[in-house]
Amino acid sequence: DAGVIQSPRHEVTEMGQEVTLRCKPISGHDYLFWYRQTMMRGLELLIYFNNNVPIDDSGMPEDRFSAKMPNASFSTLKIQPSEPRDSAVYFCASSSTGVGDTQYFGPGTRLTVL
Amino acid sequence: GENVEQHPSTLSVQEGDSAVIKCTYSDSASNYFPWYKQELGKRPQLIIDIRSNVGEKKDQRIAVTLNKTAKHFSLHITETQPEDSAVYFCAAIPNQAGTALIFGKGTTLSVSS
Repeated sequence: DAGVIQSPRHEVTEMGQEVTLRCKPISGHDYLFWYRQTMMRGLELLIYFNNNVPIDDSGMPEDRFSAKMPNASFSTLKIQPSEPRDSAVYFCASSSTGVGDTQYFGPGTRLTVL
Repeated sequence: GENVEQHPSTLSVQEGDSAVIKCTYSDSASNYFPWYKQELGKRPQLIIDIRSNVGEKKDQRIAVTLNKTAKHFSLHITETQPEDSAVYFCAAIPNQAGTALIFGKGTTLSVSS
């Protein structure tokens, strides 16, 4: 298995632009998680899905952030409009049977908003 | 909700020494405690985990202990090597539907040779 796949690996954009991050979970995994990592705030859970349905989005910082999972093999995290404080590494992770199960992280997307 | 505190934030040891990282959690219902290792520029990866029905678990040079009464758990690395240098994250999750892992802030471990 290729593991969790994320794209792009690096994204540099200007303030105000729309940013879309993509994730393909491990095949057969029912849970998908989006995290944001910064030096100041550490690893923060933004949202997670179970069987393509959003379960908890309380970590989404504000309305500029949105996430979708149209099918079991694809999810997007969108930021519109982007701001410099959104600069961070965004990780996607998936797990097999539940939230108390091993989470496998993707390589991350390093986002820089100028 | 659950809150996980992790100490120390940085730890420097000499090669061959032991390293201990401690975490406390607030929700007595938490029952799963994984530890992740993140090397510089890489993704977090699970290195060991423990469930609340077990007090200790070992895997070669690493071990995790859990004290449910005191609500804390620790990662022990023996005979440290330079390749152990990384950021280590603890996490906890309540035994409750609709919840997810809560991570500690991380510990940066530096092993010097």
